Amino acid sequence: AQKITQTQPGMFVQEKEAVTLDCTYDTSDPSYGLFWYKQPSSGEMIFLIYQGSYDQQNATEGRYSLNFQKARKSANLVISASQLGDSAMYFCAMREVSNDYKLSFGAGTTVTVRA
Amino acid sequence: DVKVTQSSRYLVKRTGEKVFLECVQDMDHENMFWYRQDPGLGLRLIYFSYDVKMKEKGDIPEGYSVSREKKERFSLILESASTNQTSMYLCASSPGQGLNTEAFFGQGTRLTVV
Repeated sequence: AQKITQTQPGMFVQEKEAVTLDCTYDTSDPSYGLFWYKQPSSGEMIFLIYQGSYDQQNATEGRYSLNFQKARKSANLVISASQLGDSAMYFCAMREVSNDYKLSFGAGTTVTVRA
Repeated sequence: DVKVTQSSRYLVKRTGEKVFLECVQDMDHENMFWYRQDPGLGLRLIYFSYDVKMKEKGDIPEGYSVSREKKERFSLILESASTNQTSMYLCASSPGQGLNTEAFFGQGTRLTVV
């Protein structure tokens, strides 16, 4: 069974607007960690933001924020004030104790920012 | 800065060849990982290692093996390359074990098997 589901294969967003990337996950662990990575066309994976399952507040890092809804098992990434350099593929990932702390990734969402 | 370096950005190999993909990290991380990335499938874990000379199978180990003789180096081996192993291969490393431990990735190797 898929542990991480990203239902949006591709999205277009206008420069300076906000965009929300969906991520749902499946785990029965009480403790887990959720990550978002960005992959530009150059190929390297860049860590963006982390949310722990017991964190009381939603994580934020600059223009990136995570809309964490634990009961719904969703961890959507919000990018505010999109820039042309945000055009990339974005991956949601999860780390679980029961999975030996390995990172499991979703299929990814391609974001294209239009000028 | 943590640096994870993969030996090649692009490789073209023939079916049946033995292929080595090398990965080196310079931050003394215990954990190293090999993933393959395919469109629509995301990243799938091939093998990982939590220590020197230690290796564990990931989700798709068939057709691959690994070697970790030194802490900083983790090699992925395709014993007999096949066309269905054409893919992007990503190496990663991370320190210790913890839920919030960030993984650092190399730039990727795009392998084409013809």
